[in-house]
Amino acid sequence: LAKTTQPISMDSYEGQEVNITCSHNNIATNDYITWYQQFPSQGPRFIIQGYKTKVTNEVASLFIPADRKSSTLSLPRVSLSDTAVYYCLVILTGGGNKLTFGTGTQLKVEL
Amino acid sequence: NAGVTQTPKFQVLKTGQSMTLQCAQDMNHEYMSWYRQDPGMGLRLIHYSVGAGITDQGEVPNGYNVSRSTTEDFPLRLLSAAPSQTSVYFCASSYSGRAYYGYTFGSGTRLTVV
Repeated sequence: LAKTTQPISMDSYEGQEVNITCSHNNIATNDYITWYQQFPSQGPRFIIQGYKTKVTNEVASLFIPADRKSSTLSLPRVSLSDTAVYYCLVILTGGGNKLTFGTGTQLKVEL
Repeated sequence: NAGVTQTPKFQVLKTGQSMTLQCAQDMNHEYMSWYRQDPGMGLRLIHYSVGAGITDQGEVPNGYNVSRSTTEDFPLRLLSAAPSQTSVYFCASSYSGRAYYGYTFGSGTRLTVV
C-alpha cells in the first residue's frame, strides 16, 4: 500500500477553513484515498473518501488532483468540536480489507 | 442501532493474568478486526476476520488470540498479559470485508498491565 505523509499538527481558529494535505506519491491505479477523524478517547470515524477530482459531503470536502499523488481534506468553518486527529489512508478497492494508519494530523481549533 | 460495542471500557491486569476483550456489532458486517493504539502512534492491526470461522493475523499478533464463532462477536484474548500490552484497543467492522466501504470503530478498551 502507498505510504502517506501528512503534517503532524495544525492550529486554527473557529470559523476558519482548514486544509490538511496528504502526500501519497506511490499510489496505485486501484487505490482510493480515505480520511478518518479521531476524537480523544474515541475510535476513528470514517469521514470521506475519493478516487479523483472532488468529493463533498456534510462534513468535509476532498480534493484530489489529476496525478493523485496528493489529496487535501478541507474542513469549512471549523469549530472547537473539530479538534481531533485526522488520518489520511490509501486503500485498495479490489481485495483490500486492511487499514494502515500513520500518526495522523492533530488539528487544534481555538477561539 | 448500537454499532460496535466494546467491553470493558477500562481494565487493569497484573502481569501474567489472562482476559478477554469483548467486541460485538449489530450491523451484520462480515469483516471485523482488532487494533491497538499506543501513545503518539497510529493504530496497528492485531487480528482480523473476514467471516464466521475465519481469522487471520495482522501486523502485531503475538500474545493475542481470536476466534469468530458468530457474525456478531469477535473477542480478543490476552493469554498472559505483559506490560508491553498496555494500550488502547479498538474493534472495527466493515461491510463485505472491503476497506472501501468504510470501517465502524468501537469506543475502545483502555488496558493497563502492571
